[in-house]
Amino acid sequence: DSGVTQTPKHLITATGQRVTLRCSPRSGDLSVYWYQQSLDQGLQFLIQYYNGEERAKGNILERFSAQQFPDLHSELNLSSLELGDSALYFCASSARRGGAFFGQGTRLTVV
Amino acid sequence: SQKIEQNSEALNIQEGKTATLTCNYTNYSPAYLQWYRQDPGRGPVFLLLIRENEKEKRKERLKVTFDTTLKQSLFHITASQPADSATYLCALVMNTGFQKLVFGTGTRLLVSP
Repeated sequence: DSGVTQTPKHLITATGQRVTLRCSPRSGDLSVYWYQQSLDQGLQFLIQYYNGEERAKGNILERFSAQQFPDLHSELNLSSLELGDSALYFCASSARRGGAFFGQGTRLTVV
Repeated sequence: SQKIEQNSEALNIQEGKTATLTCNYTNYSPAYLQWYRQDPGRGPVFLLLIRENEKEKRKERLKVTFDTTLKQSLFHITASQPADSATYLCALVMNTGFQKLVFGTGTRLLVSP
């Protein structure tokens, strides 16, 4: 158990819909990262937050947004969903300098 | 452009041998480099971290080297076991102070009995 909790584990939704993925980081970790991993693809960095502030942005689509709340949990919002958005979405957290600890992911299927 | 390259072909080795995986990068200046293991459908698991001023790091059967001149890291698993079969990812940590973490595409390791 990494200590990072992601909900839901599975999500099936239709094209055009909007979903919210939730992440609770390890206790004490201030950094939260979001990654997308499509079938047999690498981890694509989406966005990073540190103590509530956005710190780095990767290849995140304009239809996607995220935030980190004062209690340090984070949410990733995906809207106007397309078939190509089907993927595993991972959240990870870390202390300021150290390894990142990943949740088990949310498997999103857009039909 | 910035790249992190790992061998996309699977590495097949026999149990008991040493597996060596390579991570090369271009146009990055990482503060440190990390290695992770990922099993199918699961989140990556952190294994080791090596800083830019360190040449080598060991942990049990794992050894990592980091050459900032060659822009390369080597990851070794000695006395490999079938249970070591997984995809191994290297990740660069940028010297931003807030640890932007970028991953390579990973190399799949298959250890046969």
